[in-house]
Amino acid sequence: GIQVEQSPPDLILQEGANSTLRCNFSDSVNNLQWFHQNPWGQLINLFYIPSGTKQNGRLSATTVATERYSLLYISSSQTTDSGVYFCAVRAGDYKLSFGAGTTVTVRA
Amino acid sequence: DAGVTQSPTHLIKTRGQHVTLRCSPISGHKSVSWYQQVLGQGPQFIFQYYEKEERGRGNFPDRFSARQFPNYSSELNVNALLLGDSALYLCASTGPAGELFFGEGSRLTVL
Repeated sequence: GIQVEQSPPDLILQEGANSTLRCNFSDSVNNLQWFHQNPWGQLINLFYIPSGTKQNGRLSATTVATERYSLLYISSSQTTDSGVYFCAVRAGDYKLSFGAGTTVTVRA
Repeated sequence: DAGVTQSPTHLIKTRGQHVTLRCSPISGHKSVSWYQQVLGQGPQFIFQYYEKEERGRGNFPDRFSARQFPNYSSELNVNALLLGDSALYLCASTGPAGELFFGEGSRLTVL
C-alpha cells in the first residue's frame, strides 16, 4: 500500500512563529487531506488539496503531486494551534492512508 | 447543518464482551467509513460502506463487522473484545469531492 511520511515528528514553537510541516507519499494520489486533531481526539478538516495551493487564514497548503509531497504552513502560530497534524492520502481505492502525524506545541 | 455524529463518546468494556458503535453521516452523504486510532498512531482504515454495500475492508479480524442502514447511518460491531481493541474509533462520511469528514469518535477502553 501507499506509504505516507510526515516530518518533523515533533515541533515546538514560540507563539507568533511560523512553521512548515511536510508530507511525502510513495505513489500517485487522487485525494490528499490535512487534518488537525484536537486534544479531545476530533479530526478537524484543514484542507482537501490533491494538487495546487490553498489558503485559509493563517494556514496554507501546497501539494506538488508530480513530486509526491505536500506542505502545510502555519503562520503567526497561536497556542490554539497546538495538537497533532495529520496528512492523509488516497491512491485510487476507497481508504485514506494516514501518516504518523506531527505533534505541534505552541508556547505562550 | 450537523456534522458526523457518533455514539457513545466513551465506553468501558471487559475482555470477551461485545460492543456496538453508531454513526450518522452528514446529511446527503451516502458513504461512511470507520477508522481505528490507537494511542500515538495515525488512524487505520477498517471499513467503507456506500449505499449499504461494503466497498472496502482493512486488515482487521473477522471479530470486526459493520453495516449501513437505509438512512445511511452505520454501526460498527466488535465481538470478543481484546485489550488491544482499546482505541478511538472514528467514523467519517464522504463529501461530493471525495473528501472525508470525521466525527468526534468513540473512545473504547477494554479492561
